[in-house]
Amino acid sequence: QKEVEQDPGPLSVPEGAIVSLNCTYSNSAFQYFMWYRQYSRKGPELLMYTYSSGNKEDGRFTAQVDKSSKYISLFIRDSQPSDSATYLCAMDKLTFGTGTQLKVEL
Amino acid sequence: DAGVTQSPTHLIKTRGQHVTLRCSPISGHKSVSWYQQVLGQGPQFIFQYYEKEERGRGNFPDRFSARQFPNYSSELNVNALLLGDSALYLCASSARQGTYEQYFGPGTRLTVT
Repeated sequence: QKEVEQDPGPLSVPEGAIVSLNCTYSNSAFQYFMWYRQYSRKGPELLMYTYSSGNKEDGRFTAQVDKSSKYISLFIRDSQPSDSATYLCAMDKLTFGTGTQLKVEL
Repeated sequence: DAGVTQSPTHLIKTRGQHVTLRCSPISGHKSVSWYQQVLGQGPQFIFQYYEKEERGRGNFPDRFSARQFPNYSSELNVNALLLGDSALYLCASSARQGTYEQYFGPGTRLTVT
């Protein structure tokens, strides 16, 4: 079993939709949780960085961490075509998920 | 401010050859990490350097080595290249050791033929 599981998608949504991206993990020792956005053939860009459980909001993005369920989520409100990218979750110990490919269509 | 820079952008090598990839961190950042990202996968941690010392190593063979220079730039070296080494090699910098708030460069795409 991988330490971090992430549905690879692709996930296709209409413009303006609320997007939910998720990761599950197996190591209960993880305390730091990150979300990165990666455009095709580019390096990952840090979107959100959270510590322990709870919610964090930044503009149209909300990150949620549920340590009891070992489950983290990234919500994107009012999705735009420019949000089309691969979204990677990451945990401490520098462990990444495989990424979910998101396509926001006009 | 300039972000993380990496060179070269693309590289094609033959099996058995050696390659050196270079990275310059964000100004003021003292920690550099290297990752390998195979197409369709998330980045896999290779090395972390902080203040010119190796602070972490992932599960990669000894053919992979790295170093960090006094100006905090870094090199990743891979010897005896295999076809399976074809990947995007990413460098990430952070302000200090122990933080997971990292900023990635654009990567070097290595193709081994």
